[in-house]
Amino acid sequence: QKEVEQNSGPLSVPEGAIASLNCTYSDRGSQSFFWYRQYSGKSPELIMFIYSNGDKEDGRFTAQLNKASQYVSLLIRDSQPSDSATYLCAVKWAGTALIFGKGTTLSVSS
Amino acid sequence: GAGVSQSPRYKVAKRGQDVALRCDPISGHVSLFWYQQALGQGPEFLTYFQNEAQLDKSGLPSDRFFAERPEGSVSTLKIQRTQQEDSAVYLCASSLGAPGQLNTGELFFGEGSRLTVL
Repeated sequence: QKEVEQNSGPLSVPEGAIASLNCTYSDRGSQSFFWYRQYSGKSPELIMFIYSNGDKEDGRFTAQLNKASQYVSLLIRDSQPSDSATYLCAVKWAGTALIFGKGTTLSVSS
Repeated sequence: GAGVSQSPRYKVAKRGQDVALRCDPISGHVSLFWYQQALGQGPEFLTYFQNEAQLDKSGLPSDRFFAERPEGSVSTLKIQRTQQEDSAVYLCASSLGAPGQLNTGELFFGEGSRLTVL
């Protein structure tokens, strides 16, 4: 059974702080890893994807992958109130569709 | 339009009614996916297509759920004899590549069809 686990939160951080979102997955055979952001009442939108161990940076966002620990995280630097949303971790295994976690709700207070 | 289009956006059905939800993917996208998202939960996989072929329907919760994509473009998700537990947002997503390719994680979602079963 392929599963993706996330802490549902809410995670609350003050404006300008670093928000750290974490995700674990059940199967070492996974190929690729994705972070989606979903605002309330809206559809998910892709923020970042990562395939290889290590860090990948894109603006204020950094994705970190550790395949040995089956762990992927998303760091948001200089958090803004507009970052308040639910962040969905998703994992792709060979030949399958994306499997999503339940999401972590982030609240950034001004 | 350039995005994934879903209709209807909102559907209220009486328990026992049949419903049909439509998805029009981005033109040229090979892969099409259906997800079910209950309130406060992440999207749950239902089924996916590569062109007109339904490659995986393991997520369909019961035989009351049926999906098709007969010409490899527009897809319809049909739910027969709806039950209250079917109430959810049904998300359709498309992707340029085939499911075996890494870039099929880059899904483009429609706005969803919110189904309420009374």
